[in-house]
Amino acid sequence: SQQGEEDPQALSIQEGENATMNCSYKTSINNLQWYRQNSGRGLVHLILIRSNEREKHSGRLRVTLDTSKKSSSLLITASRAADTASYFCATDATSGSRLTFGEGTQLTVNP
Amino acid sequence: GAGVSQTPSNKVTEKGKYVELRCDPISGHTALYWYRQSLGQGPEFLIYFQGTGAADDSGLPNDRFFAVRPEGSVSTLKIQRTERGDSAVYLCASSLSGGRSEQFFGPGTRLTVL
Repeated sequence: SQQGEEDPQALSIQEGENATMNCSYKTSINNLQWYRQNSGRGLVHLILIRSNEREKHSGRLRVTLDTSKKSSSLLITASRAADTASYFCATDATSGSRLTFGEGTQLTVNP
Repeated sequence: GAGVSQTPSNKVTEKGKYVELRCDPISGHTALYWYRQSLGQGPEFLIYFQGTGAADDSGLPNDRFFAVRPEGSVSTLKIQRTERGDSAVYLCASSLSGGRSEQFFGPGTRLTVL
């Protein structure tokens, strides 16, 4: 079963704008990770944030984690058409190492 | 190798047939995972290997699904008596040591059961 829920389900923005995607989860976690997927195939790892971290940056990506609200957000700044993809959050619970994915946000960046 | 590889990339089979899907993890990664992704949804966990043994197979949907990793490297996911509902993309991932390590995904095998 899916633990995470992303919102929005779909997001359409213009190139240069920022995109924010949110993720909520239900159980205690070790880490939360964000992945990107093009055309329903392989997942590309973007960033991992540990449960004792609150914010992390990587290039144009900024991830926040609020364990009290069991939520995370992914911000992509200065978006590009090439950022068009599905974005998933995934958690690994304290009890094991399997990843539990949300249903994803489909981001479309219009040139 | 440079990344996780999966073969075949596409597999079309008929209902009731047997299929095998192969995963080559990143060299040196002891942990290997299988996930299944249906259209419009996120991946769902199937099974996790630590070395040669299945550490967690609780995601396998029923006894038609089985996976092996005999030498602690390559893994094969086996599906018997395929059903149309088995159609999905099957994703494999590996990580250095399991636990809190980052998982690296392969390109997936798209299985279509007619």
